[in-house]
Amino acid sequence: GAGVSQSPSNKVTEKGKDVELRCDPISGHTALYWYRQSLGQGLEFLIYFQGNSAPDKSGLPSDRFSAERTGGSVSTLTIQRTQQEDSAVYLCASSPTNGGNIQYFGAGTRLSVL
Amino acid sequence: DQQVKQNSPSLSVQEGRISILNCDYTNSMFDYFLWYKKYPAEGPTFLISISSIKDKNEDGRFTVFLNKSAKHLSLHIVPSQPGDSAVYFCAASGGNKLVFGAGTILRVKS
Repeated sequence: GAGVSQSPSNKVTEKGKDVELRCDPISGHTALYWYRQSLGQGLEFLIYFQGNSAPDKSGLPSDRFSAERTGGSVSTLTIQRTQQEDSAVYLCASSPTNGGNIQYFGAGTRLSVL
Repeated sequence: DQQVKQNSPSLSVQEGRISILNCDYTNSMFDYFLWYKKYPAEGPTFLISISSIKDKNEDGRFTVFLNKSAKHLSLHIVPSQPGDSAVYFCAASGGNKLVFGAGTILRVKS
């Protein structure tokens, strides 16, 4: 596609439920990133995938959060047993190489945990 | 710990005047800096960047200045236009990820 695509654009869920957020990066981009933006905050790094290398999970806030990237393309971020503090905009970005280069962002998924 | 700080949450500027957005960082290992612009309900879009080996980069109405000794960078927009009204994020890179500031809301009044 022309840009990074994220779905759904909005997700409302009940506390304790699991959610899956999807990211389709720009075709050919080898690096994929997940960030989240809580209200009034900057973007917080969550996880980074580069090709077939082991992902950098250093930003995941708890073991309820996990992500995978299948076939080096589409990525899914899963949040288990959601909590109200998980409410945020989850942003995905991709770039053609790793580190220091421009990252191209999707429009994000706004998650609301009631 | 906030490694990248944007101390002004908002800025209001008259159309045609200069907008100056500031950013401070603490990690001297950062080697690349970027500015992103974000409209509501959209993802951040890349605006301009600068390598740590330079002190200035210009692209049309946008100029980024880097002062390494002060660990400070700024984005100048001149002349400012109403369409520039958005949230501006400063970001720094020293590895696999970008570290973002909290953003500055710029409002350009016509």
